Amino acid sequence: GQSLEQPSEVTAVEGAIVQINCTYQTSGFYGLSWYQQHDGGAPTFLSYNALDGLEETGRFSSFLSRSDSYGYLLLQELQMKDSASYFCAVRGNNAGNMLTFGGGTRLMVKP
Amino acid sequence: GAVVSQHPSWVICKSGTSVKIECRSLDFQATTMFWYRQFPKQSLMLMATSNEGSKATYEQGVEKDKFLINHASLTLSTLTVTSAHPEDSSFYICSASDNGGLSDTQYFGPGTRLTVL
Repeated sequence: GQSLEQPSEVTAVEGAIVQINCTYQTSGFYGLSWYQQHDGGAPTFLSYNALDGLEETGRFSSFLSRSDSYGYLLLQELQMKDSASYFCAVRGNNAGNMLTFGGGTRLMVKP
Repeated sequence: GAVVSQHPSWVICKSGTSVKIECRSLDFQATTMFWYRQFPKQSLMLMATSNEGSKATYEQGVEKDKFLINHASLTLSTLTVTSAHPEDSSFYICSASDNGGLSDTQYFGPGTRLTVL
């Protein structure tokens, strides 16, 4: 089976940088994804890492180390609108594209 | 980008009634759709994987006779909560992938908030 761990809550101020970590245990591994979800809304795709290293998309970057079963989402120049829950998700097998989600990290950005 | 819609966005029903939720991929064909349930401040829990033209695959602990899934076309999957009870109240979200499992990107619908009185 799959299990993912991430901090339940993180607080930061506007303009700061925050890193949300995710460790996973899977029977197979095909990639680590990150999703953002605002209260009452649906998850939206942020990034995906299949190989080791850093992927940068604007203010957001995502990192993966497969040997450590670890990844993180880095948010720079935080804005109030970044307050949301962030989920890491693992695709653990090649059949059906099923994702297993972590418990989510609630990010609160303060002025 | 890929757009997935859900209808209704919210529904309130009496205990014992059945509720149908539709999930549509608007600008792509979805060979696979997924149904999730999310309780307040919790993660998304996969309920079932729906493949067009075949029976859905349910996750352990999900009653297939209570949560009926039909994926009759490449753009529509439906989830019917039969004989709903208050404990079924939750946020139900569907997602779709567009190439039968080769992509890691799932496109999520806006969700349906079900309240059973």
